[in-house]
Amino acid sequence: DAKTTQPNSMESNEEEPVHLPCNHSTISGTDYIHWYRQLPSQGPEYVIHGLTSNVNNRMASLAIAEDRKSSTLILHRATLRDAAVYYCILRDVGAAGNKLTFGGGTRVLVKP
Amino acid sequence: DGGITQSPKYLFRKEGQNVTLSCEQNLNHDAMYWYRQDPGQGLRLIYYSQIVNDFQKGDIAEGYSVSREKKESFPLTVTSAQKNPTAFYLCASSMRKQGRSNEKLFFGSGTQLSVL
Repeated sequence: DAKTTQPNSMESNEEEPVHLPCNHSTISGTDYIHWYRQLPSQGPEYVIHGLTSNVNNRMASLAIAEDRKSSTLILHRATLRDAAVYYCILRDVGAAGNKLTFGGGTRVLVKP
Repeated sequence: DGGITQSPKYLFRKEGQNVTLSCEQNLNHDAMYWYRQDPGQGLRLIYYSQIVNDFQKGDIAEGYSVSREKKESFPLTVTSAQKNPTAFYLCASSMRKQGRSNEKLFFGSGTQLSVL
């Protein structure tokens, strides 16, 4: 399975942008890059996903490298509610169907 | 409201006992998943199901069993063979479109299982 590598933790000040890197050097041509975040004691929630082009939504932006071996999740203005663990994941579409494998994620701390 | 419901929120297991965690969804999703999360760790896949009456082992299936008799339901049984069952268990679902890898997952709020 293609794997992702993320820093264990990052800190940011409130109202400042946060750039969360993810390396996925073994990504296959059909794998989408997904990002989820998990607040304490809750299930993860979807943030954004993309294939080749950069993507924007109301929560964040996703910048994908041209060779697709890395990507960056961008939170434009961090708030205290953005403090969570952020997971970068590759979809694995095998013969049995879709499977999503999570790594350790990046714990984001937002300082007021 | 549509979503995924996990119950109970907290569950205690005695030594040698089997316990079953419930997961129900009304999103009309074909695929359902069970993950285990240990403190400070990421999620590990236990079992997943792409369609009714079919399921596959994930990365840590030993000591667990599942069934998928209905599209809406995917219960997980933690058997006595699972020697370290204390963890946070998360259920998820997604649309299933063969060959498509852009379908996002929707998660329940989790069940915390502890051993007495």
